[in-house]
Order: sequence, then C-alpha cells, then structure tokens
Amino acid sequence: KAGVTQTPRYLIKTRGQQVTLSCSPISGHRSVSWYQQTPGQGLQFLFEYFSETQRNKGNFPGRFSGRQFSNSRSEMNVSTLELGDSALYLCASSEPVAREQYFGPGTRLTVT
Amino acid sequence: AQRVTQPEKLLSVFKGAPVELKCNYSYSGSPELFWYVQYSRQRLQLLLRHISRESIKGFTADLNKGETSFHLKKPFAQEEDSAMYYCALSNTGGFKTIFGAGTRLFVKA
Repeated sequence: KAGVTQTPRYLIKTRGQQVTLSCSPISGHRSVSWYQQTPGQGLQFLFEYFSETQRNKGNFPGRFSGRQFSNSRSEMNVSTLELGDSALYLCASSEPVAREQYFGPGTRLTVT
Repeated sequence: AQRVTQPEKLLSVFKGAPVELKCNYSYSGSPELFWYVQYSRQRLQLLLRHISRESIKGFTADLNKGETSFHLKKPFAQEEDSAMYYCALSNTGGFKTIFGAGTRLFVKA
C-alpha cells in the first residue's frame, strides 16, 4: 500500500496570511490525526478526524482548523499566521480499530 | 490529565552496552502505550506497542501499571539504533495520542 502523503512538503508564508495543508491517508484508513512538531514543544496533538467528524482536539487556538472528506483525505488550515506557527506539521492515519499510527513525511511551514 | 514524560533528552551508550529509555505516563483510564522511532531522514514509525508484547529489533517494553511506566529496553545496543525515540499514549477511545518529548539515543562505536 502507498504510505501517507502530505502536500506541499515545504511552505513559506508571511505573518497574517493563511495556509492549507493536505494529507492523504493510507487506503482503508479512516482516522487521520494532525500534529505540530517543534524543537521546543515536541509533538503536539492538533486534532483527529474519523468519517468526516472531528472526534478530539488539542489545546490550540481557533486559528487552527481541519476537515476530512468522504474519501478520508484531510486538510488543516491555519489562519492569521504567526511567527510561532513555524513548525513541521505531521499527519498520521490509522485503521478504525488499531491505535497505531502511520505518519506522513510532514509539511515544513516557515512563517516570516 | 493525560501526560507522557521522557526524562532524558539525550542518552549516549557504547555499542554492545544495555540501553533503557524511560517513559512514565499519567492517565486515569486504561491507556494504550507505544514506542515510536524516527531514524535520520526517515518518517516517524511505530516500534512496538504494549498489547503485542513482542520484541522488535531486540527492543522490549513492559507496561508497569503500578509505577505507570513503559520503559524501552535492549540488552545490547547497536550503532543502527541511534535515533529519536518517542513514547506515546492513546486514550481509551483511541481518538487522541499524546507523545513524550522524545529521547535521542546515540550509540557510540
């Protein structure tokens, strides 16, 4: 099976702009989770989607949002970008019952 | 509150020496614990999970509910074990996974 894919791989944005990141899970995986990875904070959970429904959300401001489509592909959006949003954003998918996650390569977002 | 603590940011051992990466957790229910590994220039990937109770690449981890720990062990470290290791906890429904800060293991020749 093809692995989790994320697009784009790299992004440079300016403060105040918004950005949309995309994640395509492994075929058959209906759960998609998003994480923010930074050197200072490590891996922080953003949100999890299953069958187009957000089931859980981490402690991030409302500027961070996401959605999942009927084909399980997911997008996350960050509005009004701040310098502190610069990070590697990871997407992970898993099968409905198993908890183990399969990670994508990440999208490196730089906010200037 | 759900929390995972990995007290060591960096662990350096010699090849052939035993290695133990510590992980303690805080969770009120019945958690599911995992170890994930990230080798240089590779994706984060699952190393092992507590319910499978298997040894992967010579690594084992035992869930100790009394001490709320899930330490990762290997009797003889190899250079190829050098990587970043993350302990992770999933809640009962599996809707949320919390990762520890990670421990970088460096195995010296």
